[in-house]
Amino acid sequence: DAGVIQSPRHEVTEMGQEVTLRCKPISGHNSLFWYRQTMMRGLELLIYFNNNVPIDDSGMPEDRFSAKMPNASFSTLKIQPSEPRDSAVYFCASRHTTSGFTDTQYFGPGTRLTVL
Amino acid sequence: DQQVKQNSPSLSVQEGRISILNCDYTNSMFDYFLWYKKYPAEGPTFLISISSIKDKNEDGRFTVFLNKSAKHLSLHIVPSQPGDSAVYFCAAGGSNYKLTFGKGTLLTVNP
Repeated sequence: DAGVIQSPRHEVTEMGQEVTLRCKPISGHNSLFWYRQTMMRGLELLIYFNNNVPIDDSGMPEDRFSAKMPNASFSTLKIQPSEPRDSAVYFCASRHTTSGFTDTQYFGPGTRLTVL
Repeated sequence: DQQVKQNSPSLSVQEGRISILNCDYTNSMFDYFLWYKKYPAEGPTFLISISSIKDKNEDGRFTVFLNKSAKHLSLHIVPSQPGDSAVYFCAAGGSNYKLTFGKGTLLTVNP
């Protein structure tokens, strides 16, 4: 069982550049979450997909952030243009949703993003 | 407005002793609570959970206690082991899909 796969593990970019983070959820899972972790705000939910459809993107900071899930095995989180305050660790998580949120979410290893 | 609070950023205990990690919440609609453990350079991993209809759930060395009237839950680790050293996140959810996480407590278990 490969678990949730995220790439890249580390990304260093300059302000104004486009950044794309990638996630492959666990096979068979039908829900996918993108989180951001910072010292100030802790772990916060950015967006949630269910069956490849975005259900709630209210946590997305602003229009510079966008996320897609073209199929059940792949999702991207894009930041364009990136800013230094976007520096954080971004986690992707997936779960098999059967009866609400009580189903366990499985997290990927995260992508550490640094915007200079 | 933090709905889930872990007021202790860090905790240090001796190997073999009990570790108690605390978590408070403000939203009375939360009815399911989880603890996640996170090692450096890894994602959080699920540890244990409890439903609001219970006040205790036990899994080996790990026990979670829930006090609904106080809106408080705690994680007990007995006995603590050096391998338990990690950041522990408390999370809470209601009738929807969202989990709200605390900021975490760094537990250090000294040999």
